[in-house]
Amino acid sequence: GEDVEQSLFLSVREGDSSVINCTYTDSSSTYLYWYKQEPGAGLQLLTYIFSNMDMKQDQRLTVLLNKKDKHLSLRIADTQTGDSAIYFCAESISDGQNFVFGPGTRLSVLP
Amino acid sequence: DTAVSQTPKYLVTQMGNDKSIKCEQNLGHDTMYWYKQDSKKFLKIMFSYNNKELIINETVPNRFSPKSPDKAHLNLHINSLELGDSAVYFCASSQAGGAKNIQYFGAGTRLSVL
Repeated sequence: GEDVEQSLFLSVREGDSSVINCTYTDSSSTYLYWYKQEPGAGLQLLTYIFSNMDMKQDQRLTVLLNKKDKHLSLRIADTQTGDSAIYFCAESISDGQNFVFGPGTRLSVLP
Repeated sequence: DTAVSQTPKYLVTQMGNDKSIKCEQNLGHDTMYWYKQDSKKFLKIMFSYNNKELIINETVPNRFSPKSPDKAHLNLHINSLELGDSAVYFCASSQAGGAKNIQYFGAGTRLSVL
């Protein structure tokens, strides 16, 4: 079955870069996503990448995909205190209906 | 306008009661979902509805029943509530027809069963 793994915690200093990693098992994944959940709020889509891409950049966010190793990462440049949240990796497989989330990485940004 | 809205935001109730959570989306999407997020923030899909048909039903207890009066609404009814049902329940919606499947989430309903 499908499985998505992430480390549960990450702490960085304000102004540093954050790198959040994710591994997945389903090789038929067509899209992979990063969602952000702030305290007391729902999940907000940050970015997504199609499986035939290696990299996608959007302002301070860079997504890297290594399809061979089934590894996805999210880099946040110049991390700010407002970036403190839980970041969920998710995959959508080919039928477009199955959508699996990782356990979430809690990012803490220290002043 | 809120794209995916859930009511109530907070729900506190006694064990054994029956309760409903409502969800509405104004995005014109044809698929809606219910997720459960436990105290450790793990997110698990419970149901999804596409054009009023249940298409995913993960192994949730049959005390949970989704009801979709139309494609803009997917309500969650829970019978005989148990302590272990305490969690945050999220509604989401997406447009099917392709694997992009970007899901838009509501703000969540925090259910506490006493």
